[in-house]
Amino acid sequence: GNSVTQMEGPVTLSEEAFLTINCTYTATGYPSLFWYVQYPGEGLQLLLKATKADDKGSNKGFEATYRKETTSFHLEKGSVQVSDSAVYFCALSEDYGQNFVFGPGTRLSVLP
Amino acid sequence: DAGVIQSPRHEVTEMGQEVTLRCKPISGHDYLFWYRQTMMRGLELLIYFNNNVPIDDSGMPEDRFSAKMPNASFSTLKIQPSEPRDSAVYFCASSPLSVFSEAFFGQGTRLTVV
Repeated sequence: GNSVTQMEGPVTLSEEAFLTINCTYTATGYPSLFWYVQYPGEGLQLLLKATKADDKGSNKGFEATYRKETTSFHLEKGSVQVSDSAVYFCALSEDYGQNFVFGPGTRLSVLP
Repeated sequence: DAGVIQSPRHEVTEMGQEVTLRCKPISGHDYLFWYRQTMMRGLELLIYFNNNVPIDDSGMPEDRFSAKMPNASFSTLKIQPSEPRDSAVYFCASSPLSVFSEAFFGQGTRLTVV
């Protein structure tokens, strides 16, 4: 079956540091890929997505590129802020949205 | 659109009591999902519906859990009887019929069973 693997963290960085959170997936077909963010006490919010190979999703300074050859969708940000402290989930979907699969989440803490 | 709406936001109940969580999906969405989030197990899919019909309930932990979707704008997740190990945050999410679309999550219901 489909699955998503991501570094579980926690990840602790200083403000303005470079961020990478690795995500790899296993899928039988050709999935869409997503990064969600969850701030404390809130639900999951879509951060960015990519729907085909070599697509780059971007939002709020975060980027991730759909790499079919390595089945990866790593999240990056060049300069993190304290306000980026949250849990980040990598996810995929196939079959018209009926099969969302989430990774375990990576907790990020950014220190001033 | 106001997004996915869940109620209540917080619920504290005693062991053995019945608990009902409610969800109003985004209008026009074809799929509705119920998830449970705990520190130990992360985010777990409990059940999902397509056009009000339950498609996969393999994630429902046991017979104490049941979910219904009587119409396109309302769903419930019921736990009867509740146990302390059911304490978690329960999320409802909905999505349209599109292979490219994300799931839209509600704010969640934090359930505490004492």
